Amino acid sequence: EAGVVQSPRYKIIEKKQPVAFWCNPISGHNTLYWYRQNLGQGPELLIRYENEEAVDDSQLPKDRFSAERLKGVDSTLKIQPAELGDSAVYLCASSSPGQGDYGYTFGSGTRLTVV
Amino acid sequence: KQEVTQIPAALSVPEGENLVLNCSFTDSAIYNLQWFRQDPGKGLTSLLLIQSSQREQTSGRLNASLDKSSGRSTLYIAASQPGDSATYLCAPDNTDKLIFGTGTRLQVFP
Repeated sequence: EAGVVQSPRYKIIEKKQPVAFWCNPISGHNTLYWYRQNLGQGPELLIRYENEEAVDDSQLPKDRFSAERLKGVDSTLKIQPAELGDSAVYLCASSSPGQGDYGYTFGSGTRLTVV
Repeated sequence: KQEVTQIPAALSVPEGENLVLNCSFTDSAIYNLQWFRQDPGKGLTSLLLIQSSQREQTSGRLNASLDKSSGRSTLYIAASQPGDSATYLCAPDNTDKLIFGTGTRLQVFP
């Protein structure tokens, strides 16, 4: 099993430029999460999808962040325009709650540096 | 709102010691609790998952306990090794999302 796959691993951009991150969850996992982790902190939820529906986006800064999960599989998180404070690690996770719950599986993350 | 606290924030020990990492959370209405390990510059690796109906889980040298009513979980690491050096994060699952503490940064030296 491939696990949760994220790309790119690293991204350096200038402020005000757009950036996009991609995530492919574990096959069969209906729930997908995007978390942001600032240096020295624990991850914080940005958005949660159940299949293709965003069911919790209360922490997503909607003025510059957007996300989509077409067909309920892959997901893309976009920032436009990026600000210096967006420098962080962006983590994608997936889960399949209920019977046979094995918890959350995280990808390796995308480390974003905005200069 | 769920708040998670991990103590100690950092720990440096010689190898071979048995370790105790503490996690407390304010909202006991959790679905489960998960412990993760994070190496520098890496993603999160799941160590143990404890369902809300369980009291503990074991995997090799790791044992995690859960006292949901008091809002506490403890991760025990037996016979620590330099390869255990990492940050350890606990995360209770509330309403289908994980809430993380800031972690315990562990260094085990030879």
